[in-house]
Amino acid sequence: GAGVSQSPRYKVAKRGQDVALRCDPISGHVSLFWYQQALGQGPEFLTYFQNEAQLDKSGLPSDRFFAERPEGSVSTLKIQRTQQEDSAVYLCASSFRGNRPPANTGELFFGEGSRLTVL
Amino acid sequence: QQQVKQSPQSLIVQKGGISIINCAYENTAFDYFPWYQQFPGKGPALLIAIRPDVSEKKEGRFTISFNKSAKQFSLHIMDSQPGDSATYFCAATRRGYGGATNKLIFGTGTLLAVQP
Repeated sequence: GAGVSQSPRYKVAKRGQDVALRCDPISGHVSLFWYQQALGQGPEFLTYFQNEAQLDKSGLPSDRFFAERPEGSVSTLKIQRTQQEDSAVYLCASSFRGNRPPANTGELFFGEGSRLTVL
Repeated sequence: QQQVKQSPQSLIVQKGGISIINCAYENTAFDYFPWYQQFPGKGPALLIAIRPDVSEKKEGRFTISFNKSAKQFSLHIMDSQPGDSATYFCAATRRGYGGATNKLIFGTGTLLAVQP
């Protein structure tokens, strides 16, 4: 498809399990963002990639959270030893970074998210 | 994180009425202020955005009003329709080189219900 694709859409994990969430950005999009959205809240920034380089990981809440984008396209967000407070929707967004319109609008295109429930 | 404060938390409007959502920001370095619309089970989608060099931007029934001195901006939805019922988020960021998007700081959201 033409949009940002995330999988799985729903994940139930027992406390202490590791989970991996995948994001397929729009083809050609250089920038990729991960956000965490708790129920009834706005998205909170987790981390940002430009191609394969992780330029900002200041929003990752703990060292249990790890993200990678080894080939500059697909990205994986991994959460180790999940806790109940990790329950949220994890949103991936991509953007094309360019110098001429319309690419330089910098619009973020979001996927539908992966809903994680930790029991 | 630098905050973006949004109000009201929820809003009920009659069909045909005007919906108004307000946001305030702290960081004067922010130079891009988008509004996102989110339907249940979906990701946020860009609705309209403004830069601080203009005081108003209109696209169809949606208008952003921007007050740089007060560090406030608002979304107005004219002739509100039941299909507008969704959660609306304001956001702010400082753009990078070439207009590239930097991380967005989101407000807490406004749940809008437009009654038929």
